[in-house]
Amino acid sequence: EAQVTQNPRYLITVTGKKLTVTCSQNMNHEYMSWYRQDPGLGLRQIYYSMNVEVTDKGDVPEGYKVSRKEKRNFPLILESPSPNQTSLYFCASSNRRGYQPQHFGDGTRLSIL
Amino acid sequence: GEDVEQSLFLSVREGDSSVINCTYTDSSSTYLYWYKQEPGAGLQLLTYIFSNMDMKQDQRLTVLLNKKDKHLSLRIADTQTGDSAIYFCAVLQTGANNLFFGTGTRLTVIP
Repeated sequence: EAQVTQNPRYLITVTGKKLTVTCSQNMNHEYMSWYRQDPGLGLRQIYYSMNVEVTDKGDVPEGYKVSRKEKRNFPLILESPSPNQTSLYFCASSNRRGYQPQHFGDGTRLSIL
Repeated sequence: GEDVEQSLFLSVREGDSSVINCTYTDSSSTYLYWYKQEPGAGLQLLTYIFSNMDMKQDQRLTVLLNKKDKHLSLRIADTQTGDSAIYFCAVLQTGANNLFFGTGTRLTVIP
């Protein structure tokens, strides 16, 4: 089954404690992306990757890091999480061509205390 | 970037038609999508339309695109309680792989 898998689905942690949210896709997609969803703001892109070892900033990259060492994985790293990063996070993937719609994971709800 | 706007809430009675509207700013936008998000779930692609089309119909869903006014709408015929969800409009710009999302419209279907 074609899918994008995120882990964990839920996490409550404290300010400053490094965390990683993993994302994996099994569709051999070149393009992967991270979004955060906040009430009244829709989805905003954090980082994206056009292919292995190619990453770039989205609209709200501050406080986040990513890496793309393998095609299937695109982890999101919060080196020193802060409460304003409490949000719902989505990973998505697609073929390189834009008309191929993005497939989304089920989301990771992060609470930073 | 691109500004994509939607109204936040819409309530309709079961069996009526729902129309969710979206406006965008970049006239070079090539592909326009509608996603549905049910509680606790990710985004599910409902339908999409290319910018050279005016209308697309898929069962109960009709998408209308007015390129001149940069206005996109999603009509759901015979709305059911299972259609209650948040609906996101998303726009892809020419040459980019990045989607710009609206704020989402929360559709509530009243039995």
